[in-house]
Amino acid sequence: GAVVSQHPSWVICKSGTSVKIECRSLDFQATTMFWYRQFPKQSLMLMATSNEGSKATYEQGVEKDKFLINHASLTLSTLTVTSAHPEDSSFYICSARSVGSTYNEQFFGPGTRLTVL
Amino acid sequence: GENVEQHPSTLSVQEGDSAVIKCTYSDSASNYFPWYKQELGKRPQLIIDIRSNVGEKKDQRIAVTLNKTAKHFSLHITETQPEDSAVYFCAASSTALIFGKGTTLSVSS
Repeated sequence: GAVVSQHPSWVICKSGTSVKIECRSLDFQATTMFWYRQFPKQSLMLMATSNEGSKATYEQGVEKDKFLINHASLTLSTLTVTSAHPEDSSFYICSARSVGSTYNEQFFGPGTRLTVL
Repeated sequence: GENVEQHPSTLSVQEGDSAVIKCTYSDSASNYFPWYKQELGKRPQLIIDIRSNVGEKKDQRIAVTLNKTAKHFSLHITETQPEDSAVYFCAASSTALIFGKGTTLSVSS
């Protein structure tokens, strides 16, 4: 149980284009999903917290107009990188917290490798 | 917000030795402290976690201790093996998980 999927697993795009990444909880409902970014040899950095049916909360320094997050259902959150540039190339990982969880256990997706040319 | 410090950044041990990684956190509201092992290009893999109402937890060769008063927690790996070589991250959470910067553990045979 507690499986989170991400799609696509990798994507290569041209500079200036937009890329959408999907994060799905397959066997549980998630009121809250989180988006992280990880650059090579660095830690996971929280980008935003996504709550079902409401606006996402972005961490300081993360541009909300560039990284659009939609959490339309209890099993799906999407991250759209708009007007992507080479510096946006990174490993993007989502996680999900189950409805009713007492502690903040989270389940991670497999990640999406984004390369912007 | 929460801030997590992790030390050391690199750790080299001989096979069979013990390895200890330490983390401190700043937010007293944090109540969940997981440890992850991450291989290159893959998602973090949960290896052990501890909740704020527990001081110590053990799972075979891995143990974690938590000192809420001092706001620090540690990962202990005994009888290390070459396959334990990886990057390890601690994290603390009251809402979102905030990660430490990671420790690269190398176990030589």
